[in-house]
Order: sequence, then structure tokens, then C-alpha cells
Amino acid sequence: DAKTTQPPSMDCAEGRAANLPCNHSTISGNEYVYWYRQIHSQGPQYIIHGLKNNETNEMASLIITEDRKSSTLILPHATLRDTAVYYCIVRPNQAGTALIFGKGTTLSVSS
Amino acid sequence: ETGVTQTPRHLVMGMTNKKSLKCEQHLGHNAMYWYKQSAKKPLELMFVYNFKEQTENNSVPSRFSPECPNSSHLFLHLHTLQPEDSALYLCASSQVGSAYEQYFGPGTRLTVT
Repeated sequence: DAKTTQPPSMDCAEGRAANLPCNHSTISGNEYVYWYRQIHSQGPQYIIHGLKNNETNEMASLIITEDRKSSTLILPHATLRDTAVYYCIVRPNQAGTALIFGKGTTLSVSS
Repeated sequence: ETGVTQTPRHLVMGMTNKKSLKCEQHLGHNAMYWYKQSAKKPLELMFVYNFKEQTENNSVPSRFSPECPNSSHLFLHLHTLQPEDSALYLCASSQVGSAYEQYFGPGTRLTVT
């Protein structure tokens, strides 16, 4: 399994962009990058995923480097409700296997 | 509201009790999962069901017994638990072809006394 490395914590001012990095230097060609977040005392929430192209949805943008060894999740205008633990997960998109969560990055958004 | 519900939300049980956790998904998914989250630890996968068949058991002790009667319902039967089994138990669902786009329920906070 490809492993990911994330900083344990980050701070962001409300209204600013939050850029959360993830290193996955041993990623294989068939492995996707997935991002989830978990707000305190709630179940994890799917945010976005990508293979090699940058992706954007209503929640966030995902930037994957050309060599695919790292990626950045961008929350363009962070709010207090974005305070959560953010998990970067690298897995092949195949049936029968499940997510493996690491320790993630605790993002604290303050006013 | 993710379309995945779990009951009860909180449960306190003694070590000799038998109880069950229930999960229901209203998303038309065909894969369901149980995860355990202990304090200050990452989520741990417990069981995976694809099309009602168990496809993964992550070395879970036999005092935890899953049941998946249909694609919409998943149970976790508990008996003779230990205090260290106290944790947040999370259920999730997905389409089999999109295993990593999972939708989680709110969890059941279990305390074993």
C-alpha cells in the first residue's frame, strides 16, 4: 500500500485559502488520491479524489503534481465550519477493498 | 445528512450484555462497511460487505459479529465486550465500483462498563 505523509496540524484565518499538502512518493500508476475530512464527533465526509489531473468540485480543489508524488487540497475560502481533521488516502480504485485512514491533518480555522 | 443512519447514537453496556448496532443506507449502494474509531487513534476498518457478502474481516475478535441481511442494512452484534472496546463505531456505504467514495453515518458512541 502506498503511504501518505501529512503535517499533523495547520492553522488558517477565516476567509483565506487553506492549502493542505500530502506526500505520496510511492504512489503506483493505478492509485487514486482521495481526500476526506472528519468534523469533531461526526463520521468522515468524502471531499474529492483524482488520478493525475487537477480536480475541482463545490467543496474544494485538488492539485496533483506532474510526477504524482504529492498533492494539495485547497479550500478556497475557509470558514469556521471547515475546522476538521483532513485525511489524504491513496488507494487503487478496485472493488472489494476499503479506505485506510492515517492520522491526517487537523485544520483549525479561526476568525 | 449523508443518507446513512445509525442507531442507537449512544450505547452504554456491561461486559456481559448482548446488544446490536444498526446501520441503514438510503443511497442505493451495494457495499457497506464497519469502522472503529478509538480515542486519539485513526479509523480502523472492521468489516466489508459487497452485495451482502462479507469480503473483508480485518482480524476482528469474534465478540463482534456482523450481519448484512440486504444491501441497505448492516448490523454489528456485540457480546461479552471489554472496556477497551469503547469507541465510536462508524458505518459507511458506497457503490462497489467506487469503493473510495464512501458515505459515513454519524456513528454510535459505545461505552463498555
